[in-house]
Amino acid sequence: AQKITQTQPGMFVQEKEAVTLDCTYDTSDPSYGLFWYKQPSSGEMIFLIYQGSYDQQNATEGRYSLNFQKARKSANLVISASQLGDSAMYFCAMREGLYSGAGSYQLTFGKGTKLSVIP
Amino acid sequence: DSGVTQTPKHLITATGQRVTLRCSPRSGDLSVYWYQQSLDQGLQFLIQYYNGEERAKGNILERFSAQQFPDLHSELNLSSLELGDSALYFCASSPTPDRGGGLAGSGGYNEQFFGPGTRLTVL
Repeated sequence: AQKITQTQPGMFVQEKEAVTLDCTYDTSDPSYGLFWYKQPSSGEMIFLIYQGSYDQQNATEGRYSLNFQKARKSANLVISASQLGDSAMYFCAMREGLYSGAGSYQLTFGKGTKLSVIP
Repeated sequence: DSGVTQTPKHLITATGQRVTLRCSPRSGDLSVYWYQQSLDQGLQFLIQYYNGEERAKGNILERFSAQQFPDLHSELNLSSLELGDSALYFCASSPTPDRGGGLAGSGGYNEQFFGPGTRLTVL
């Protein structure tokens, strides 16, 4: 079974509107972290936001917020007030064994969602 | 700029050849991760080194090997190259992996900083 599922291969959003990118995950580890990365057409991977499994509050970073629903195992990225520069691939990723010190530390990525912002 | 450097940026070679990709982590980061991004497999973890020692292995082929040197830079060696090895290879670094926690939204000690990648084309 896939550990990270992003069901939206592509999304369109009007400039200045909000958009939600879906991510569901699968793990039996109680300690894990969820990450969102942005990959513009230039190719670099840009870290956007992080949520730890024990964090009580949903993460926010500027226009990015993470809608973390632990019981549903979902970690959706919300981008408010979309800008043309937000057009990119967005990847959800998970790291397991976050607090144990014994985990393997690598990130497992979803297939990504291509977001296109329309002027 | 993440602070992670990778060279070369582009590499074009032929099947059967061997190449070496180089990565310099952010100053002070002890962990280096290698990832492969291809159209059919997506982003996959290959291998992790921590302070010179191999820490974790992912879907890395036997034809591939890596090492981390005393100055913490890392090299990924790809040999007997095949057409299917064409991909974007990322190096990422992070501080010690043994620290958990981190504030929500900050990444804290758990963020991996990615380099710009090396695009390998095997002809």
